[in-house]
Amino acid sequence: AQSVTQLDSHVSVSEGTPVLLRCNYSSSYSPSLFWYVQHPNKGLQLLLKYTSAATLVKGINGFEAEFKKSETSFHLTKPSAHMSDAAEYFCVVSYNAGGTSYGKLTFGQGTILTVHP
Amino acid sequence: EAGVAQSPRYKIIEKRQSVAFWCNPISGHATLYWYQQILGQGPKLLIQFQNNGVVDDSQLPKDRFSAERLKGVDSTLKIQPAKLEDSAVYLCASSLGFGSSYEQYFGPGTRLTVT
Repeated sequence: AQSVTQLDSHVSVSEGTPVLLRCNYSSSYSPSLFWYVQHPNKGLQLLLKYTSAATLVKGINGFEAEFKKSETSFHLTKPSAHMSDAAEYFCVVSYNAGGTSYGKLTFGQGTILTVHP
Repeated sequence: EAGVAQSPRYKIIEKRQSVAFWCNPISGHATLYWYQQILGQGPKLLIQFQNNGVVDDSQLPKDRFSAERLKGVDSTLKIQPAKLEDSAVYLCASSLGFGSSYEQYFGPGTRLTVT
């Protein structure tokens, strides 16, 4: 079975300070991992994805994440927060094995990021 | 490129009534997904189509939910009869192909309130 745990339901930072959103995963097979962002009243947008290539993955809007197999983690970071980063972020895991679950996305519970001026 | 379209955006119904949601995926995308997102939770896959065939409907409550994908393009999701716990945002997504290497593109969702 596959699952993800987002360790913080809410994170609050000041504009210009670093962002860290934490995610741990569990997967019986070699996983693909994703971070999605959801702004209010807008669709989910892919920030970045890891699919067994480089362990440090760079995404859009200055976000990056590092895949650490030994820690089963895939934390999302950004050096300097911007007001426009305020949104809900989802860590997502997907199977890379065969069968009908292939490619199925399993979402975490989400982390709401608040950015203060 | 046009994105995934969904309608209606909002719907309020009473319990035991029926409701239908419509999704038009990105042109050329063979795979279509319906997700349910309950407030405070991440989206949960209800059903996945590859062209007009069902790949995975293991989490679809088949006693009240049904879905079809007309001619492998548009799709409708129906709930009959609705329960209070069906209040959620219903998201449609599409991708070029089947598997985690294909990015899923999400529509804006339909927010359903059952009273």
